[in-house]
Amino acid sequence: KAGVTQTPRYLIKTRGQQVTLSCSPISGHRSVSWYQQTPGQGLQFLFEYFSETQRNKGNFPGRFSGRQFSNSRSEMNVSTLELGDSALYLCASSLVLQGTEAFFGQGTRLTVV
Amino acid sequence: GDSVTQMEGPVTLSEEAFLTINCTYTATGYPSLFWYVQYPGEGLQLLLKATKADDKGSNKGFEATYRKETTSFHLEKGSVQVSDSAVYFCALSDLTGANSKLTFGKGITLSVRP
Repeated sequence: KAGVTQTPRYLIKTRGQQVTLSCSPISGHRSVSWYQQTPGQGLQFLFEYFSETQRNKGNFPGRFSGRQFSNSRSEMNVSTLELGDSALYLCASSLVLQGTEAFFGQGTRLTVV
Repeated sequence: GDSVTQMEGPVTLSEEAFLTINCTYTATGYPSLFWYVQYPGEGLQLLLKATKADDKGSNKGFEATYRKETTSFHLEKGSVQVSDSAVYFCALSDLTGANSKLTFGKGITLSVRP
């Protein structure tokens, strides 16, 4: 079966712009989580969605937001981009809550210039 | 809060050497423990997991045992291959608390030379 699909794979944006990243989970998976990966901070949890509801949220500013659609696809949005937002953004899907096995996409590499 | 501590890296080994990567955790509840692996340019792949104390997870020659008494989940492999070169992350998920997110260690880069 198809894995977790993230689009686009690469993005270059300018400071102050906004960006939307997309994640299509494995068919049948209802939980989608987002993580930010940077060399300095490692993997940090952004938020988790389950059945279109945000279940958990990490310690990120309000510029980071997300949503989940009825088909379980998810998007995350970052407004007013800062240089420090440059990172690999990873999406993970699982059948129920995230404590069960999570499957990751290849990520979206965002570069803010 | 929950946390995961991994040994400092990077680690460089010769092919067929024995591998141990240390991982300890702090959690208020009863976490599930995971090892994920990340190959260059890729996302994370689940390597193995254990959901309760004394469980042993194993996959592709890698093993890790959930040790509640020492709050550890060390990763081992008896004979590494060049293809094992990657970044390895230890992680936990505690379903008994309000959050079910994955908490990751900082990761360790393993390089295996022929």
